[in-house]
Amino acid sequence: QVTLKESGPVLVKPTETLTLTCSVSGFSLSTNIMGVSWIRQPPGKALEWLAHIFPNDETSYSTFLKSRLAISRDTSKSQVVLTMTNMNPVDTATYFCARLGDYGEFHWGQGALVTVSS
Amino acid sequence: SYELTQPPSVSVSPGQTARITCSGDALPKQYAYWYQQKPGQAPVLVIYKDSERPSGIPERFSGSSSGTTVTLTISGVQAEDEADYYCQSADSSGTLWVFGTGTKVTVL
Repeated sequence: QVTLKESGPVLVKPTETLTLTCSVSGFSLSTNIMGVSWIRQPPGKALEWLAHIFPNDETSYSTFLKSRLAISRDTSKSQVVLTMTNMNPVDTATYFCARLGDYGEFHWGQGALVTVSS
Repeated sequence: SYELTQPPSVSVSPGQTARITCSGDALPKQYAYWYQQKPGQAPVLVIYKDSERPSGIPERFSGSSSGTTVTLTISGVQAEDEADYYCQSADSSGTLWVFGTGTKVTVL
């Protein structure tokens, strides 16, 4: 069974750097041909795609947030990590990791709520 | 940046048909996907590759594509279909993903 689970701080202060971890099971990050994305959703608002990492370690980032994001993977730990610098209250959101499936569809983790507040 | 536009809301009576549109310039070149999201839950795929239905999704959900617009149709809407619906696709390069603005479906 394929599962993804996000973990990280529940609360971060403005200007801090957020580090989120996506732990996957049921598939290998090195053989899954499509890769893993991070997606977020502010409370009451729409989904927003953030970043993607392919099995060959190539990455793709949201044009709007590219300067603040970094995505990486640790195949031995079956983890994908997202860092976002200079956090702001508007970055308060539920952050999802999602595997890209064979047909180009996303398969989602349960999400992790991150609040940015001093 | 690339955007996908959806109507903010659609209201429909039980048993009637709900249609949700999604417009984007790259849709003739890239497949569209539709997700259903209920409060407090992760999105669930209901349509992939414009018009394919995953196993376990009721037949009343269907998708279609015409030019720069894709449409999700829910025929014979049921109370349990009340949710937010998002389209998703990619830009013309295929390496930047994008979600639509979301549509809240209300079952009257």
